[in-house]
Amino acid sequence: NAGVTQTPKFQVLKTGQSMTLQCAQDMNHNSMYWYRQDPGMGLRLIYYSASEGTTDKGEVPNGYNVSRLNKREFSLRLESAAPSQTSVYFCASRVTGLRGTDTQYFGPGTRLTVL
Amino acid sequence: AQTVTQSQPEMSVQEAETVTLSCTYDTSESDYYLFWYKQPPSRQMILVIRQEAYKQQNATENRFSVNFQKAAKSFSLKISDSQLGDAAMYFCAYRSPIMDSNYQLIWGAGTKLIIKP
Repeated sequence: NAGVTQTPKFQVLKTGQSMTLQCAQDMNHNSMYWYRQDPGMGLRLIYYSASEGTTDKGEVPNGYNVSRLNKREFSLRLESAAPSQTSVYFCASRVTGLRGTDTQYFGPGTRLTVL
Repeated sequence: AQTVTQSQPEMSVQEAETVTLSCTYDTSESDYYLFWYKQPPSRQMILVIRQEAYKQQNATENRFSVNFQKAAKSFSLKISDSQLGDAAMYFCAYRSPIMDSNYQLIWGAGTKLIIKP
């Protein structure tokens, strides 16, 4: 049981390049999330997916797209990377259900640098 | 809109002593969840403790406990018998129980905890 996994762990891009961050969870959770973390700030939600086949924008969606490929996988794509997207990206999953079962489980993060 | 404030950017404590990290929040809701997450140098976010607002009893997990003051909108984390492995960033987070599909967490900016040997 690996929990939430993310690839890659590190990535350096040049401005204008594209890339996809991969996330997978093996806990059979319905909801998945993409966050970014910048110095001195808490996590900010980019996109989320409440269930397979659905995605919705979070607080900072501009410059990103997502795909909920199946229940396990939720990818984040940067079509044309910008230096402002330099950040640490976290994927998380959460089971939708009864009161109290609302904890989000996080992946190890991806450190992205855009030059 | 809800906000979460952690007023201590950095705290330090001697190993084996007790330290308290502060968190305040602003909300108009009467029911909600509060969390403390730990982020060690490995960067992974790890849940430390969770509190449901409808519960008056403060949550406890081994050496970690909270002081939940609902009227004051305060949610502090106490770490007893501090250990070197407790050194990390600690984040306070808030979640509304409103039954939509979002379940978005609202995060504080974090407190860096340093443990002195």
